[in-house]
Amino acid sequence: GAGVSQSPSNKVTEKGKDVELRCDPISGHTALYWYRQSLGQGLEFLIYFQGNSAPDKSGLPSDRFSAERTGGSVSTLTIQRTQQEDSAVYLCASSLWDGQPQHFGDGTRLSIL
Amino acid sequence: KNQVEQSPQSLIILEGKNCTLQCNYTVSPFSNLRWYKQDTGRGPVSLTIMTFSENTKSNGRYTATLDADTKQSSLHITASQLSDSASYICVVSGQAGTALIFGKGTTLSVSS
Repeated sequence: GAGVSQSPSNKVTEKGKDVELRCDPISGHTALYWYRQSLGQGLEFLIYFQGNSAPDKSGLPSDRFSAERTGGSVSTLTIQRTQQEDSAVYLCASSLWDGQPQHFGDGTRLSIL
Repeated sequence: KNQVEQSPQSLIILEGKNCTLQCNYTVSPFSNLRWYKQDTGRGPVSLTIMTFSENTKSNGRYTATLDADTKQSSLHITASQLSDSASYICVVSGQAGTALIFGKGTTLSVSS
């Protein structure tokens, strides 16, 4: 497909476990963003990758959250020692370059029991 | 504080009717304003994007307006359809990349 692909679409895990969320951006898009969407809340910026530059991690809520982008393409968001407040939809978006319209994936719905 | 406020929070209209959604922002400096449509369980999809110099932009039955002086935007939907039922999110960009400020969205329900 030509869109942003995220996996898994749903993830249920126990509190304290680690989880990895994956994002396949649109081919050729140099910018990649992770957001979190909690029920009834607006999207919350987490982290931003632009090409080979150091990522902007200013939105990560705690050191339990980390992300990497290998080879300038696929990105994984890792949450360690998950807490119930981590339950949310995690959305990934990509754009040709910073400032261009962002194309969103359908998100991963994370539920922490 | 940079904020984006949307109103109403939710709206129910009959199929075929028009409606207008509002977005007020305090983001400064301002780069552009975007409206997204988010269907339940899906990611947001871009409808329009307007820069400081643009005051109206259309995408089919969707027309967005922008008043950069009063820092207000509206999204007008004409001849609504059942498929317009979704959350509409206003997003303001102050600077490139990470400075996107998202509103909480307006949930629109179109009934027959």
